[in-house]
Amino acid sequence: EAQVTQNPRYLITVTGKKLTVTCSQNMNHEYMSWYRQDPGLGLRQIYYSMNVEVTDKGDVPEGYKVSRKEKRNFPLILESPSPNQTSLYFCASSLSTSSTDTQYFGPGTRLTVL
Amino acid sequence: GENVEQHPSTLSVQEGDSAVIKCTYSDSASNYFPWYKQELGKRPQLIIDIRSNVGEKKDQRIAVTLNKTAKHFSLHITETQPEDSAVYFCAATLTGGGNKLTFGTGTQLKVEL
Repeated sequence: EAQVTQNPRYLITVTGKKLTVTCSQNMNHEYMSWYRQDPGLGLRQIYYSMNVEVTDKGDVPEGYKVSRKEKRNFPLILESPSPNQTSLYFCASSLSTSSTDTQYFGPGTRLTVL
Repeated sequence: GENVEQHPSTLSVQEGDSAVIKCTYSDSASNYFPWYKQELGKRPQLIIDIRSNVGEKKDQRIAVTLNKTAKHFSLHITETQPEDSAVYFCAATLTGGGNKLTFGTGTQLKVEL
């Protein structure tokens, strides 16, 4: 089944404790992206990747890192999480980097930073 | 950068009535306008999209219209049903901007029996 997966789905952690949220797609998609969703703000892009070893900042990259060592994986790293990073995170992917390609979303990761 | 505004933030309709959600965008280079539906606790899922060379697109009870001159686009749901209750997001992408989606802030649609 073609899909985007994320792990963990739920995570409660404390300020400063490094964490990684994994994202994987099995559709051989070139483009992958991370969004955070906050009430009243919609979804905002954190980072994106147009291909292996090619990543770039989105609108709200502060406090986050990403890597794209393999085409299928695009982990989101929070080196020193803070309470303002409490949010719902979605990974998404699309076949190409074309602006008209449909993006498919993962199931989401609800992160709470205490 | 691109900015997308969405209205209303909440919308309540009676079952069988129509619902309309409106979005405006700022960058005239935007060329793709998807609409996503997000049910409670679920991921956003694409329900319809429109490209900049088309003025209207319809899929059963759902339609989207685009006015490039005014830089706005709208989602129309006819004969609403309780299962249409969800949060709807509009989005836009820019020509040559990769595939970055800029989202509106969402509309909570409630279809009442």
